Amino acid sequence: NAGVMQNPRHLVRRRGQEARLRCSPMKGHSHVYWYRQLPEEGLKFMVYLQKENIIDESGMPKERFSAEFPKEGPSILRIQQVVRGDSAAYFCASSPLGAGEKLFFGSGTQLSVL
Amino acid sequence: AQSVTQLGSHVSVSEGALVLLRCNYSSSVPPYLFWYVQYPNQGLQLLLKYTTGATLVKGINGFEAEFKKSETSFHLTKPSAHMSDAAEYFCAVSDSGNTPLVFGKGTRLSVIA
Repeated sequence: NAGVMQNPRHLVRRRGQEARLRCSPMKGHSHVYWYRQLPEEGLKFMVYLQKENIIDESGMPKERFSAEFPKEGPSILRIQQVVRGDSAAYFCASSPLGAGEKLFFGSGTQLSVL
Repeated sequence: AQSVTQLGSHVSVSEGALVLLRCNYSSSVPPYLFWYVQYPNQGLQLLLKYTTGATLVKGINGFEAEFKKSETSFHLTKPSAHMSDAAEYFCAVSDSGNTPLVFGKGTRLSVIA
């Protein structure tokens, strides 16, 4: 049973470009969470999605960031017009039930903005 | 809203010594509490969790944690540190399953031979 798959592992973008981060949850999991990790700051919650629905996006920046989890295919975290401050590790996690239950994490995508 | 405070961003212990990583939480309702471990360049792995019932929770790799409501604490311990325990440890809280996990800033554990 494959774990949570994130790709790419490393993504380099120039300022102003778009970044697309993909996450395939574990088989049978319909709940997906995105977290951002900055050095010395731990993990910050960004968004919680269930198939085709955004449940909680209280941690998402109001501009440039969006997320989706379509009926078919992986969840996508999209960052438009990236800036240097977007450089971070982005982790996806999934669970079979819902918020507050055990999360299974992917290995993350390290985004570097030049 | 929940919050987590991990005292000490870096803890260093000798191999074979007691490991104690501190976590205090804030929650307006009975919390779900978690400890996760992160090895370099990897995602987080669950060590243990507390939801209800016995306040002393045993996890993987010899770790355990005790939920103390009066102290709003959920400290992580291991009697004898191994070199392989060197990693970053995160405490997390959830509002009884109704909200996504809120993580502390993490504690980096170093084990000295």
